[in-house]
Amino acid sequence: DTAVSQTPKYLVTQMGNDKSIKCEQNLGHDTMYWYKQDSKKFLKIMFSYNNKELIINETVPNRFSPKSPDKAHLNLHINSLELGDSAVYFCATGTSGSTDTQYFGPGTRLTVL
Amino acid sequence: SQQGEEDPQALSIQEGENATMNCSYKTSINNLQWYRQNSGRGLVHLILIRSNEREKHSGRLRVTLDTSKKSSSLLITASRAADTASYFCASLSRGNMLTFGGGTRLMVKP
Repeated sequence: DTAVSQTPKYLVTQMGNDKSIKCEQNLGHDTMYWYKQDSKKFLKIMFSYNNKELIINETVPNRFSPKSPDKAHLNLHINSLELGDSAVYFCATGTSGSTDTQYFGPGTRLTVL
Repeated sequence: SQQGEEDPQALSIQEGENATMNCSYKTSINNLQWYRQNSGRGLVHLILIRSNEREKHSGRLRVTLDTSKKSSSLLITASRAADTASYFCASLSRGNMLTFGGGTRLMVKP
């Protein structure tokens, strides 16, 4: 079974649209994350979320919002998509505490036309 | 500039050679982690070194940490073609969020 899964794998859409990327984990981890990887392979944290706290990287536009229907899911909703939103988005999970390591999903390649 | 900058940005070696990648970071850390990313895939955790450790080994991987210089290195010994990937260092910050460097693209030629 895939530990961290994301859907869709590819997403092509027009500017101005609203889209969501889904993330599911079966590791029982208490914290989930979203990262953005740009065309130069730079990875940037966007959000950290557990059932107590949402931490937002201050550089993330408020068009981006994480939504968690339950502990196993953290979806990323994006409003009014812009060309600069084109990137690969990775979901990750982890447990706060001794290990601090994170487990990444396979990524969703978003292309905004 | 980015926290956790890697050097070199790209490295090409022959199979069997050792590969060394360096990473620098700016803020104080609890630990520093190295991840690997195969082309078109997600990141996979390789090794973690805590701020009170200076060196750590895992199989063919050796990581060092110099907190006085805010730098770390990852050594892959006896490289294999399958080691071809991008390697990222990452430091842990508020909310357990990882701050990644720009990565080193390693190519191991058979």
